[in-house]
Amino acid sequence: DVKVTQSSRYLVKRTGEKVFLECVQDMDHENMFWYRQDPGLGLRLIYFSYDVKMKEKGDIPEGYSVSREKKERFSLILESASTNQTSMYLCASSEPGQGAYEQYFGPGTRLTVT
Amino acid sequence: AQSVTQPDIHITVSEGASLELRCNYSYGATPYLFWYVQSPGQGLQLLLKYFSGDTLVQGIKGFEAEFKRSQSSFNLRKPSVHWSDAAEYFCAAEGPGGGNKLTFGTGTQLKVEL
Repeated sequence: DVKVTQSSRYLVKRTGEKVFLECVQDMDHENMFWYRQDPGLGLRLIYFSYDVKMKEKGDIPEGYSVSREKKERFSLILESASTNQTSMYLCASSEPGQGAYEQYFGPGTRLTVT
Repeated sequence: AQSVTQPDIHITVSEGASLELRCNYSYGATPYLFWYVQSPGQGLQLLLKYFSGDTLVQGIKGFEAEFKRSQSSFNLRKPSVHWSDAAEYFCAAEGPGGGNKLTFGTGTQLKVEL
């Protein structure tokens, strides 16, 4: 069974703090993704990575950065958290390439920035 | 711009009734299409996907979806809904050459009345 785990289910941070969200997958997948999920907006892609040390911007990268030092781990970084980054964050992984590969999702981290 | 539209934000059905969730896409070429389900407090799980070939696709949990090129639609159906089907459903698309990047619809929240 593919397993994608995220370091925290719930997180409360203060405005201006640096926040790290960690994601680990155990299926040796090359692709990894970070989304944020907001009511009425669905899932929006923040960043993705096709390989170690590679990253590409998604649709809403502003205010975020990522790190992928090891194949199994993909970190999302909020350099200076703001209240408008309060959201549910979902990590996913998939096989490499294209062609209707399933993305496997973690359970999500609900981040509140106060 | 590429987009996925789910026109129904909320749907309520009685247990045992049939279900159809609508999804329309706007892409230059026919994308790969997916339906995911998110149960409360969980990550997303793939129900089914359309890659090519037969336009009626069978998925898990008794769901099916029909791809209609002429209507740019990929509607999800189930003949008899169970109370455990209450969840949020997301339609998603990957453009040809999209490298497994998905564009999600805004989701449909399904409520099942007993």
